[in-house]
Amino acid sequence: QVQLVQSGAEVKKPGASVKVSCKAFDYTFTGHSIIWVRQAPGQGLEWMGWISGYNGNTNYAQKLQGRVTMATDTSTSTAYMELRSLRSDDTAVYYCARAARHVDPYFDYWGQGTLVTVSS
Amino acid sequence: SYVLTQPPSVSVAPGKTATITCGGNNIGDKSVHWYQQKPGQAPVAVVYDDSDRPSGIPERISGSNSGNTATLTISRVEAGDEADYFCQVWDSDGDQHYVFGTGTKVTVL
Repeated sequence: QVQLVQSGAEVKKPGASVKVSCKAFDYTFTGHSIIWVRQAPGQGLEWMGWISGYNGNTNYAQKLQGRVTMATDTSTSTAYMELRSLRSDDTAVYYCARAARHVDPYFDYWGQGTLVTVSS
Repeated sequence: SYVLTQPPSVSVAPGKTATITCGGNNIGDKSVHWYQQKPGQAPVAVVYDDSDRPSGIPERISGSNSGNTATLTISRVEAGDEADYFCQVWDSDGDQHYVFGTGTKVTVL
């Protein structure tokens, strides 16, 4: 069945970068966009951006512009999210999720989450 | 940017009805989606397009949307409904990005 499997937990120092992967199974990767969402400890969901699985077009949340890059590798059905210049308040669980359709989508499948800890 | 406001918490006895609101400016003009998140787990969609349910979601869970408030209703509440619930819309007027509500913790007494 449809699955999104993310890479494992990371511990990074302030100022470093992190790259999280999200591998898709059992659906046509190019037919759906992927969003990235993060959740700081005890907090709500924060949308980070989305990337088209079809052509790699992206749209990033304004507060992360310049620090985040999203990419896809259609040959392996994998999406990537890189966040640079990490700060302590980037400590969060990072999720990828599949958009169910192209227009005004909801997100029907989610990865298991990747904990990123930023600490000196 | 578009803001969605939810009550931080709702408490309900088993068998009763839980009502979770999601307030936003003219939210009735948007499609609202709802997610359930249990501790340590990823969110799961429970309602999309205001009132539709993905397959596998029980009919006890329903949604509505009008004016400035969208509502998620859980009837005949069970212990397994205890979770955080988030509403979500697409802000097509702004930077065309996705907005999540502040989240509501549902506690089953």
